[in-house]
Amino acid sequence: DTGVSQNPRHKITKRGQNVTFRCDPISEHNRLYWYRQTLGQGPEFLTYFQNEAQLEKSRLLSDRFSAERPKGSFSTLEIQRTEQGDSAMYLCASSSPRTMNTEAFFGQGTRLTVV
Amino acid sequence: GNSVTQMEGPVTLSEEAFLTINCTYTATGYPSLFWYVQYPGEGLQLLLKATKADDKGSNKGFEATYRKETTSFHLEKGSVQVSDSAVYFCALSEKSSASKIIFGSGTRLSIRP
Repeated sequence: DTGVSQNPRHKITKRGQNVTFRCDPISEHNRLYWYRQTLGQGPEFLTYFQNEAQLEKSRLLSDRFSAERPKGSFSTLEIQRTEQGDSAMYLCASSSPRTMNTEAFFGQGTRLTVV
Repeated sequence: GNSVTQMEGPVTLSEEAFLTINCTYTATGYPSLFWYVQYPGEGLQLLLKATKADDKGSNKGFEATYRKETTSFHLEKGSVQVSDSAVYFCALSEKSSASKIIFGSGTRLSIRP
């Protein structure tokens, strides 16, 4: 296992279209996180899964956003009716519960451009 | 709420100069503290961490000490190299929030040869 994998790496879409991103975490990690990063800013937390359960959602996650982790392994993040303000880097991270406050391992992200 | 404030960039230094990037935090409990680094074209990588007060995290010549009394976690390196050019993020994770990480806005560091 080489780390957290995200697909696609880049996505250009027209405003109003739906997009879906995929994240494959490190295999033994049961925690999975989605973040959004805009230019010049740090990553902002969007949502968190422990196994298949979505345990926390940020108020940044509007009703156009939905995330799933159906079998507690990979996760998808869907954005419906995309807007230009959705253009950002979407980052996925995973971590193990074995130690308290262990670090999260990040994927390389999916860069979304809404035109 | 919990937050992280770090020195604004960009920071430009000459090779072999001493580096300090300031970071302070606000948290209700006793968080773990991290420095992450993002090299050009790459993903976020953990640089170092400290999980309790007075701990010192260190890696690749970088150090940061968890100072509870000043709520700070400043990043230092005695002699920077061109290869250290990257964006550095200070971050915290609260024990009570399933290790959700809260990031600062990042500091871009450029090192001149």
